[in-house]
Amino acid sequence: DIQMTQSPSSVSASVGDRVSITCRASQGIGSWLAWYQQKAGKAPKLLIYSASSLQSGVPSRFSGSGSGTDFTLTISSLQPEDFATYYCQQANSFPITFGQGTRLEIK
Amino acid sequence: EVQLVESGGGLVQPGGSLRLSCAASGFTFSSYEMNWVRKAPGKGLEWLSNIGGNLRTIYYADSVKGRFTISRDNAKNSLFLQMNSLRAEDTAVYYCARSRTTGGGLDYWGQGTLVTVSS
Repeated sequence: DIQMTQSPSSVSASVGDRVSITCRASQGIGSWLAWYQQKAGKAPKLLIYSASSLQSGVPSRFSGSGSGTDFTLTISSLQPEDFATYYCQQANSFPITFGQGTRLEIK
Repeated sequence: EVQLVESGGGLVQPGGSLRLSCAASGFTFSSYEMNWVRKAPGKGLEWLSNIGGNLRTIYYADSVKGRFTISRDNAKNSLFLQMNSLRAEDTAVYYCARSRTTGGGLDYWGQGTLVTVSS
């Protein structure tokens, strides 16, 4: 199975900050990487697919990059509604696997 | 508008069974792979199972293989998860989610249904 490791596990930031979250796959997955946002008590929301493609309706301050084993989600200017938990997910092969999550908190 | 609505969650004793349902609308259900994903309290997201639109392919996570069975009824736009031999560690919110047709990722999710396994 492909293991997905996110860092950091949690991060504190302020509104307007630029924040990056990284995700590393235990083996190469090409661009088969997605990013999700989940708020407490809500379903996950797809932000990015194919490592860098923005899902319809997602604000352009979210961006993704990387290929192979190393990937990054960047939020260019944090908004109050962005404080949530973020997960990466590999879609290269079954079983699908998620990273452990990164909690983005208000500083 | 794409909608996924789960039902069937509840309280069940260890060793018991439960069948979850997911009613889909707003898209051609048979054209999409569907998935079950869960989130246990204090833990991250865990993918459980995937079924192809034509029912030809089915995949499971090792944690549920042999205990859970995914199925679908394309005529009724419905997805199911039969859960047997339930354990305390299966306590979680269970989501159904649609796979994108290209590029990977799960683009639509239901609101989730809570399964609690406890005596």
